[in-house]
Amino acid sequence: ILNVEQSPQSLHVQEGDSTNFTCSFPSSNFYALHWYRWETAKSPEALFVMTLNGDEKKKGRISATLNTKEGYSYLYIKGSQPEDSATYLCAFIPPGEKLVFGKGTKLTVNP
Amino acid sequence: EPEVTQTPSHQVTQMGQEVILRCVPISNHLYFYWYRQILGQKVEFLVSFYNNEISEKSEIFDDQFSVERPDGSNFTLKIRSTKLEDSAMYFCASSVDRAATNEKLFFGSGTQLSVL
Repeated sequence: ILNVEQSPQSLHVQEGDSTNFTCSFPSSNFYALHWYRWETAKSPEALFVMTLNGDEKKKGRISATLNTKEGYSYLYIKGSQPEDSATYLCAFIPPGEKLVFGKGTKLTVNP
Repeated sequence: EPEVTQTPSHQVTQMGQEVILRCVPISNHLYFYWYRQILGQKVEFLVSFYNNEISEKSEIFDDQFSVERPDGSNFTLKIRSTKLEDSAMYFCASSVDRAATNEKLFFGSGTQLSVL
């Protein structure tokens, strides 16, 4: 059974704080890891697609790192803003076409 | 920006009834998917579809489920005889290439199915 775990489950931070969350996934049969941002009542939106061990990707104030040997990825948000409030999902892709999702980290940024 | 659209946004049905959930993927995408999320649980893969046939399906996707691309634009999920446990948010997604490459998925905003 493929299991993807995300921590923490939820997080409350103040505007301006930097924060990070973790995604753990199986280290074998790895093809790719996706991070999605999902705002309430909207579609999940892709942030990053990561395929290589040691990958680091950045989009504005958000960045992610990938360690496929030990099976984890970190998502960092620098200087959180209220509009960053969302659920952040990671998804592990084994051989094949399905995404195996974690339960997500729900981030609330208080003004 | 092109987007995946799903209709209806909410569907309420009686147990045992058939439902059809509709999706219009992004026009130049070749891979199509259905996922669902039961309240409080993880988003789960149901099925992927490529070249007019199912390319992969999960254990959830039993004989009660079917998918179809009846024309060049729509992609539908049919549940033949709904059960209470089918109540979930159903997401359609599409991608240019398969998920195991460098391609991200584009998701619709979901259909909330409630089976009474």
